[in-house]
Amino acid sequence: AQSVAQPEDQVNVAEGNPLTVKCTYSVSGNPYLFWYVQYPNRGLQFLLKYITGDNLVKGSYGFEAEFNKSQTSFHLKKPSALVSDSALYFCAVRDMTEGFKTIFGAGTRLFVKA
Amino acid sequence: DGGITQSPKYLFRKEGQNVTLSCEQNLNHDAMYWYRQDPGQGLRLIYYSQIVNDFQKGDIAEGYSVSREKKESFPLTVTSAQKNPTAFYLCASSTAGILTGELFFGEGSRLTVL
Repeated sequence: AQSVAQPEDQVNVAEGNPLTVKCTYSVSGNPYLFWYVQYPNRGLQFLLKYITGDNLVKGSYGFEAEFNKSQTSFHLKKPSALVSDSALYFCAVRDMTEGFKTIFGAGTRLFVKA
Repeated sequence: DGGITQSPKYLFRKEGQNVTLSCEQNLNHDAMYWYRQDPGQGLRLIYYSQIVNDFQKGDIAEGYSVSREKKESFPLTVTSAQKNPTAFYLCASSTAGILTGELFFGEGSRLTVL
């Protein structure tokens, strides 16, 4: 079965410092991986996705993610964190075995301190 | 503007009552989804539909029902059989048949059982 894991419930970083939010995946076949962000009491917003090609994917709001096939990871990164980046981040994988469902990780809460 | 509209944003229900959450999209997407979000548990799939007049159960369908009579609409009914319905409910859509398409989310509906 397809699955994703976000090993950290919370990540704390100072404004201006680089941030990393971790994600590992387990899939059969080629992985289709996504990152979403959620602000309080709002729906999720798409940030970026990896389908094929370059291992470094660039997305919205200055975020990028690095796909590493040997480590089965898809970590979200940003070179310089902003206080406004504080939110809940979800990693997700598209389930190719059943109805194009998207399976989400449990989420990682990012706190950026001024 | 194109998007997904969920209503109501907040809903209170007495035990034993059925309630229906509305989800409408004007993105011309074929696939629609309902997720439930509880603190610390990420998103769990309730039902999904890839085409009009067809839908499938997700991972936690018990106590819920849906219909898909129109492409634009995918209402979710939370029945009295759902033992713990207090949660944040998210509707999403995507282009069916394409593994690489991201999900577009509504703003969510928060249901509280009194």
